[in-house]
Order: sequence, then C-alpha cells, then structure tokens
Amino acid sequence: DAGVTQSPTHLIKTRGQHVTLRCSPISGHKSVSWYQQVLGQGPQFIFQYYEKEERGRGNFPDRFSARQFPNYSSELNVNALLLGDSALYLCASRGGPETQYFGPGTRLLVL
Amino acid sequence: GENVEQHPSTLSVQEGDSAVIKCTYSDSASNYFPWYKQELGKGPQLIIDIRSNVGEKKDQRIAVTLNKTAKHFSLHITETQPEDSAVYFCAASLYSGAGSYQLTFGKGTKLSVIP
Repeated sequence: DAGVTQSPTHLIKTRGQHVTLRCSPISGHKSVSWYQQVLGQGPQFIFQYYEKEERGRGNFPDRFSARQFPNYSSELNVNALLLGDSALYLCASRGGPETQYFGPGTRLLVL
Repeated sequence: GENVEQHPSTLSVQEGDSAVIKCTYSDSASNYFPWYKQELGKGPQLIIDIRSNVGEKKDQRIAVTLNKTAKHFSLHITETQPEDSAVYFCAASLYSGAGSYQLTFGKGTKLSVIP
C-alpha cells in the first residue's frame, strides 16, 4: 500500500505570493493533519480534518487555511507569504484513534 | 496547551552501546505518546508508541517507558547501529474533542552512532 503522498516536494516562492500544498492520505484513512516544521525544531500542529470537517486548529494566522475533499485528500493554502513561512510542511494521515503517519513533506522556501 | 520538553538535544554513542532520550509533558490529560525517527530530507517515521494505560512497551531493540505520575516518558535503544543515526522526536497527543487528536512535539534529539 502507498503511504502518505505530498506534492510538490520542493517549492520556491517570493514574499507576498500564495502557495497551495497537496496531500493524499493512506488508503482508507479519513483524517488528515498538517504540521509546519522549521529547521531544527519539532513539527508544529496547524490543522486537522476528519470527514471533510475542520476538527482542530493550531496557533497560526488566518493566512493559513485548508480543506479536505470527498476522497479525503487535502490542500493547505498559505496567503501573503512571509520569509518566516519557509519550512517543511508535513501532512499526517490517521485511520483510527491517535496514530498518525507522516508523508515526506513539502519544503517551501520564501525569498 | 500541552508543552513537551525533550533531552538531550544531541547524543553521541559508540556502536553497540545503549541510547536513552527523555521527555516530559505538562498536560495530565494527554494519553498517547509516540516516538518518531526523522532522517535527513524525509518525513518523521513512527517507530514506537505507548498509551497511558501501559507503563512499558518493547519492540526488538527499542523500548519506551511511561511514568504518568511524574509526566515523563523515555525511549531506550539498545545495541545501537550506525543506521540508528537520525533525529528522534517524542510527542504527546491530547484529545480535544470532535475527533481531534493534536500532537505536540519535543524539539528533537540528534543521535549519532559512531562505528
């Protein structure tokens, strides 16, 4: 079975631009979470979606938004990019209680 | 909210020795504690987890212990091998209702196994 997939793998944007990151969960999993990992730090929770509804939101500004589609894939959108948004963005898939499996991430560089 | 502290930030051991990484958490409502291994350029990989109704769990060379009273948990790796070299993260999961399980991570431990 395929694991969590994310696209693109790398992305370079300039300040003020908008970015869309995509994630496909493990087949049969209905929950997707997004995390931001700044270099040298642990992942930080951004959003969790379950059955296409937002179930949790971390301490991130409104420039960050997400949605989940009927096939349980998900998009993370970030508007008005700042230099500080440069990070590895991770998607995690959950099939049952608690256990989350991470994808390889999208590395975003904002210049 | 939950806060997870992880120590040490770096750890070097000789091949074949044991490695221990320790974490503490702040919210007594947290009830699930996974450990992830992250290699350079990759996403975190789940290596072992423990639930709050269990005190210890072992999987081959890896074991995790949990002390709910003291709110700390530890990862033990025995007979370390060079391929164990990576950054290890502990995390605590808090159920915040409506199907939301939020993971809070420590800052990571960079483990180097010297051949």
